Amino acid sequence: DGGITQSPKYLFRKEGQNVTLSCEQNLNHDAMYWYRQDPGQGLRLIYYSQIVNDFQKGDIAEGYSVSREKKESFPLTVTSAQKNPTAFYLCASSTDRNYEQYFGPGTRLTVT
Amino acid sequence: EDQVTQSPEALRLQEGESSSLNCSYTVSGLRGLFWYRQDPGKGPEFLFTLYSAGEEKEKERLKATLTKKESFLHITAPKPEDSATYLCAVHYNNNDMRFGAGTRLTVKP
Repeated sequence: DGGITQSPKYLFRKEGQNVTLSCEQNLNHDAMYWYRQDPGQGLRLIYYSQIVNDFQKGDIAEGYSVSREKKESFPLTVTSAQKNPTAFYLCASSTDRNYEQYFGPGTRLTVT
Repeated sequence: EDQVTQSPEALRLQEGESSSLNCSYTVSGLRGLFWYRQDPGKGPEFLFTLYSAGEEKEKERLKATLTKKESFLHITAPKPEDSATYLCAVHYNNNDMRFGAGTRLTVKP
């Protein structure tokens, strides 16, 4: 079955620690994305990548970093510089930037 | 300012009571409008893409329509399993994408 996987589903960290969220897809999609979802707000784009070894900042990239070493993988690191990291994080992929995106199940990060 | 606004924020319907959800946008250079369904604690599930004014798409009890400034998601004779949050997203300019905050739909049996 083709799809997008994110792990873990729930993640708990202490303030001041970096944490990496995993995102893997086997849809052979070129473009991948990371979004943050907070209650009452639309999804906000953190980073996106249209090709391996290249990525661009989205609307709220501060305090986050990504890498795209393989087509299938697009991990997101939430650094200690992110002031309010507790949120639901969603990874998505698409054939290219013009087409509909397919989302993973999400990772809920709680930082205390 | 580029905006995508969904209304109402929440909608409660009785089973079988048809209604519509609205997604209005103020962006230039629309390239596509997407509708998604999201269940609590899960990732959004793609429903429809609309590219030009006048276009319509249907799937089971759902029908999406597009005008120059807004899109409607019509739900005909909804069932409790249609309860979810419905999100719209607008792709515009070259590579910009913006999501609305969603409409939370509850269908009571």
